[in-house]
Amino acid sequence: AQKVTQAQTEISVVEKEDVTLDCVYETRDTTYYLFWYKQPPSGELVFLIRRNSFDEQNEISGRYSWNFQKSTSSFNFTITASQVVDSAVYFCVFSGGSNYKLTFGKGTLLTVNP
Amino acid sequence: GAVVSQHPSWVICKSGTSVKIECRSLDFQATTMFWYRQFPKQSLMLMATSNEGSKATYEQGVEKDKFLINHASLTLSTLTVTSAHPEDSSFYICSARQGASPQYFGPGTRLTVL
Repeated sequence: AQKVTQAQTEISVVEKEDVTLDCVYETRDTTYYLFWYKQPPSGELVFLIRRNSFDEQNEISGRYSWNFQKSTSSFNFTITASQVVDSAVYFCVFSGGSNYKLTFGKGTLLTVNP
Repeated sequence: GAVVSQHPSWVICKSGTSVKIECRSLDFQATTMFWYRQFPKQSLMLMATSNEGSKATYEQGVEKDKFLINHASLTLSTLTVTSAHPEDSSFYICSARQGASPQYFGPGTRLTVL
């Protein structure tokens, strides 16, 4: 069975600090996807990124960057120069198997203080 | 693109009544829709998966007679919480997917049962 571990339950930073959210997954699947979703206080889940298991290239999108390393089964997410609007719960999500159901991590609550 | 709506966004009902929540994919045809439940400060828990025109597949521990799911068209799925009780109070989130695309989530429905 798949498992996603987000060891950091809560992180608090001051605006403009860089912050990295950790994600480690377990699976026996050879083909799978990994996602990050953001859930602001409003509750709506916002899709941030999807990576497939064959693409370990790191990705940068503005202040967001993702580091995918199959060797350590990790898919970490870094926010550079954090802003108050980044405050939210961030979920790392695994999708694999024949039906590609999503397995959510427990989430990391990020609070960015002014 | 890839917008999913839910209606209502929040509902308060009396114990023993039934509540229907709608999930619509607005700009794509959703071959598969998913229903999740989220308790405060917890992660999302998959309740069921539904494919258009087929019976929903429920996760272990989810009462199919309690949570009726209908996926009558490629753009609409409904979740009916029958004979609701206070313990059914939760945040219900749907998601929709077309083929192998990422799941796109609705804004969620907050149900409070008095």
